[in-house]
Amino acid sequence: AQSVTQLGSHVSVSEGALVLLRCNYSSSVPPYLFWYVQYPNQGLQLLLKYTTGATLVKGINGFEAEFKKSETSFHLTKPSAHMSDAAEYFCAVSVVRAGGSYIPTFGRGTSLIVHP
Amino acid sequence: NAGVTQTPKFRILKIGQSMTLQCTQDMNHNYMYWYRQDPGMGLKLIYYSVGAGITDKGEVPNGYNVSRSTTEDFPLRLELAAPSQTSVYFCASSYSREGSGNTIYFGEGSWLTVV
Repeated sequence: AQSVTQLGSHVSVSEGALVLLRCNYSSSVPPYLFWYVQYPNQGLQLLLKYTTGATLVKGINGFEAEFKKSETSFHLTKPSAHMSDAAEYFCAVSVVRAGGSYIPTFGRGTSLIVHP
Repeated sequence: NAGVTQTPKFRILKIGQSMTLQCTQDMNHNYMYWYRQDPGMGLKLIYYSVGAGITDKGEVPNGYNVSRSTTEDFPLRLELAAPSQTSVYFCASSYSREGSGNTIYFGEGSWLTVV
C-alpha cells in the first residue's frame, strides 16, 4: 500500500525567505510523485511531478522538488517566498496497482503562510 | 479550455434529501475521480472510474453512488444526505498510462452543506 506524510499542517515564512515543505512517502514499488497547489476556493493544480530520470524536478512559479529514494522523501522548495505563494500544498504518490491502474494517494496538506 | 466542469458550485441539502453532483470533462481522459475535502484531512477518494462502464470504490464510498455511461461524464449521487456529508467535493480526471505520471486535473469544487 502507498501512503504520504506531510510534516507540518502549517508553515509560516517571511516574504523573501526560503520555503521548505516536507513530504515523505511509503511505497513498495517505484512511485510517481506530485506536488499540487490549491488557492482559496479553487481546485488543485499541478506544481510539478517526478516520474523517472532526473531526481531534481522543476515546476511552475519557481518551485522545485528532489526525489530522494534513500530517504523516501520528495520535499518542495522555493528559494524566495512571495506573498502570492500563500496557499495549501498537497503531496501525492501514485503507484501501479493490481490490474494496472494508477490511483494517487494525497497527503493531508500543508498551509503555507507568507508574512510581509 | 473547459477541462473538468462540475455543478452545482454550492448547494444546501436537508437531512434525508438526495442529489446528484454533475461532472464532465472534455479532455478525453480515461480516468475520472470523485474526492471529498474536509479541513485538515486532505483529499479522500470516494469513487473512481478507469473507463466508461467501469467504476470502483475508493476510501470513503458509503452514502454515495456513481455511474460512468460515457467517457465524458461521471456523476456522483448522494442518497439520504447526512450532516457527515457536508464537505467540498472535487471531480477530477486523468489520462493514465504507464510512464505518463497520471497527472490529475481537478474541477473547481462543489460546496455541499447538509442541515
